[in-house]
Formats: sequence, C-alpha cells, structure tokens
Amino acid sequence: GAGVSQSPRYKVAKRGQDVALRCDPISGHVSLFWYQQALGQGPEFLTYFQNEAQLDKSGLPSDRFFAERPEGSVSTLKIQRTQQEDSAVYLCASSLFLAGLTGELFFGEGSRLTVL
Amino acid sequence: GDSVTQMEGPVTLSEEAFLTINCTYTATGYPSLFWYVQYPGEGLQLLLKATKADDKGSNKGFEATYRKETTSFHLEKGSVQVSDSAVYFCALSGFGANSKLTFGKGITLSVRP
Repeated sequence: GAGVSQSPRYKVAKRGQDVALRCDPISGHVSLFWYQQALGQGPEFLTYFQNEAQLDKSGLPSDRFFAERPEGSVSTLKIQRTQQEDSAVYLCASSLFLAGLTGELFFGEGSRLTVL
Repeated sequence: GDSVTQMEGPVTLSEEAFLTINCTYTATGYPSLFWYVQYPGEGLQLLLKATKADDKGSNKGFEATYRKETTSFHLEKGSVQVSDSAVYFCALSGFGANSKLTFGKGITLSVRP
C-alpha cells in the first residue's frame, strides 16, 4: 500500500516481556516519528529520525524504550520488561521533508499494546 | 515547553449545525498550527494548517485562523455533516526544520442525522 504501515496492530504482553513494534514508512520519506497515545489523550512524542539518524529521543519515558531505523526506512520501537503503564497505542508517522518545515505527517493506524 | 489546550468534549451536534472547537496554545517563538482529524478506523490525517499570524487554514469546509494576540486556533465549520464525526486534534510545531508536533488531547465530535 501507499500509506504508513504498522505491525502488529494489536499486541498483548505479560508484564516483564519484551515487545517490538514495526513501522514501514511511505517510501522515500526522510522523517520518521514515534508517538505514544494513552486512552483519551493526544499523541505524545517519543522519538524522531531523519533518515537513519536518531536526532531526538527526548520523549522516550525510560531506558526500557529503544528505537532504531538502521537503513533509513523501516523502524522498530522496542520496549523491554514491559510494565502496565506502557499500555497505549504507539503511532508511527513519516514525512517526505524535514517535518518542521511543513508539519504534515502521515500517520499509520497504530499498534495497540496491552500489558497484563 | 510547548503545549496545546483543547476544549473538553465530547461534542454532539445535529446535521447542519454550526461547529466551533476551541484550541489555545503556549509556545516560544513563532509556531505553526495544525488541525489533525482521525476518522473511525483510520490513522490521523492533516485537516488544515496555518504557518503565521492571521493566516487562515481551510479544507473540506473547515476553517481556522491563527490568532497570535489570543494564542488561539479555533476550528469552525458552518454546517456539519454526519461524515464529519471523528476525533479532532489541535497541534503545533515549534520553529526549526527538525521540530516535532505537540498535540492537544483531542475532542470527539458526533454528528447525528
């Protein structure tokens, strides 16, 4: 498809398990963002890539969260030793240009993580 | 830091009613302002934007004007349709090419026939 693709769409994990969430951005898009959206809240910034470089990871809530984009295309968000407070929808978004110039991000449908 | 405040929801309107959704912001410098919409079962998508004071963004009958004096970017539509039922998010982007979007909490709009 032509849009941002995320997998899995739904993930249930037991507390303490590690999870990996994948994002396939639109082909050729330079910028890639990860956001966390708790129930009833707006998306909260986690981290930002420009090609393969992670330029901003100030939103990652703890060192259990790690993101990579090794070839400047697909990105993976990894959460180690999941906790109940990690339950949320994780959104990936990409942008053709440097996002701050246009503000237009293309979002995937998100990966809903539930930690039991 | 930057922040966006949206009015509390949800909002329920009858078809053809007038819509206003309030949004105010706090930011340093000169942010760009956006409204994003999330239709049921779909990802967030850009509805409209304004990049400087007094600019008006418009799309699909929706409008919002960047008011620097009141730090506001209220969304309006003269006559809503059932198909406008969605969650609406106000957002801002700080100054700079690598700046990120900061979102409000969102508000759910339901339009009944």
